[in-house]
Amino acid sequence: GENVEQHPSTLSVQEGDSAVIKCTYSDSASNYFPWYKQELGKGPQLIIDIRSNVGEKKDQRIAVTLNKTAKHFSLHITETQPEDSAVYFCAASMGRDDKIIFGKGTRLHILP
Amino acid sequence: EAGVAQSPRYKIIEKRQSVAFWCNPISGHATLYWYQQILGQGPKLLIQFQNNGVVDDSQLPKDRFSAERLKGVDSTLKIQPAKLEDSAVYLCASSLVVGELFFGEGSRLTVL
Repeated sequence: GENVEQHPSTLSVQEGDSAVIKCTYSDSASNYFPWYKQELGKGPQLIIDIRSNVGEKKDQRIAVTLNKTAKHFSLHITETQPEDSAVYFCAASMGRDDKIIFGKGTRLHILP
Repeated sequence: EAGVAQSPRYKIIEKRQSVAFWCNPISGHATLYWYQQILGQGPKLLIQFQNNGVVDDSQLPKDRFSAERLKGVDSTLKIQPAKLEDSAVYLCASSLVVGELFFGEGSRLTVL
């Protein structure tokens, strides 16, 4: 079925260190992979995305990598800061209508 | 540019009562989505509209949930009768480009 698996569910890293969140998807036809950040009491906000014609994309301290053969993609946050603490969701487009299916989320804690 | 507007922000009802949520998407965004987010989980797609037509409603519990998007702009999501397990945040999102979703702040429903 249409599924996106996300790991880990919780991640704690020291401020200044890097954080990595990994996702796998089920539909080999998926071609769009966004990442969302959700803060308490707010809706998810798109932070970076990648399409299947590229393997890596970077935007300042965040980067996303995609391995279409293995059907997995990852979010990398470098030089983490307190404001990076939030829940992060990966997602993938699926089906002929490109509906966006979300993973279960990763709660990221940045430790002082 | 104004974001996605949703109301009400909070609603408490008893089981078997009815409730309606309203969404006003970003101007010019043809695609509108309703997601259900249960505490601690990722958003689950309920229904996707393209203009005023339904693209996908495969996960919408049609015996109790209904949604409409008259005139291809605002949308309403209704639940009747509500069950305890419907307690969740109902997120509305809109997009101009496939997959790049902009979310509202959500409507939190508590069913007692």
